[in-house]
Amino acid sequence: AQSVAQPEDQVKVAEGNPLTVKCTYSVSGNPYLFWYVQYPNRGLQFLLKYITGDNLVKGSYGFEAEFNKSQTSFHLKKPSALVSDSALYFCAGGNYNTDKLIFGTGTRLQVFP
Amino acid sequence: DTGVSQNPRHKITKRGQNVTFRCDPISEHNRLYWYRQTLGQGPEFLTYFQNEAQLEKSRLLSDRFSAERPKGSFSTLEIQRTEQGDSAMYLCASSSWDVQETQYFGPGTRLLVL
Repeated sequence: AQSVAQPEDQVKVAEGNPLTVKCTYSVSGNPYLFWYVQYPNRGLQFLLKYITGDNLVKGSYGFEAEFNKSQTSFHLKKPSALVSDSALYFCAGGNYNTDKLIFGTGTRLQVFP
Repeated sequence: DTGVSQNPRHKITKRGQNVTFRCDPISEHNRLYWYRQTLGQGPEFLTYFQNEAQLEKSRLLSDRFSAERPKGSFSTLEIQRTEQGDSAMYLCASSSWDVQETQYFGPGTRLLVL
């Protein structure tokens, strides 16, 4: 069965420091991978995606993610965290043979001043 | 370009009652998805439509759940004889043709079954 894992329930980082939110996937074939962010009582907001091509993907609000096929990972990164980045982050994956996204359980990012 | 909208945003109902939620996708998006999200979990796929055709339903979608998209535009999700276990956030998303296309999510409808 295909799956997406986010091994950390919570990540805490100081404002101005780099942040990483981890994601690993088990998706057959060539995966499509997405990152979404969710603020309290809101829907999911798209950040970035990897479909094909350059392994480093740049997205909204200064976020980027690196697709690593050998490690089956798609970690989300940002060079300098902001307090306003504090939210719940979801990694999701799919492939050409599936018509839906599989989501991870989410990672709560807390950026403290 | 307006985003995906969902109504109502909140619904409180008593066990055994029927509820219906509505989703209006981004105009010209062919695909419309329904997900359910419970506390501490990521969204779980329920069903999706391509235009008016319902192409896949999850095993999570019991017989008490039904979804429609009659004219290929808005969609409704009905839950009959609600149970307390149905309490969750119901999310709708839309996208253009393919699974690789970005799904844009609505704000969700939070259901509480008493």
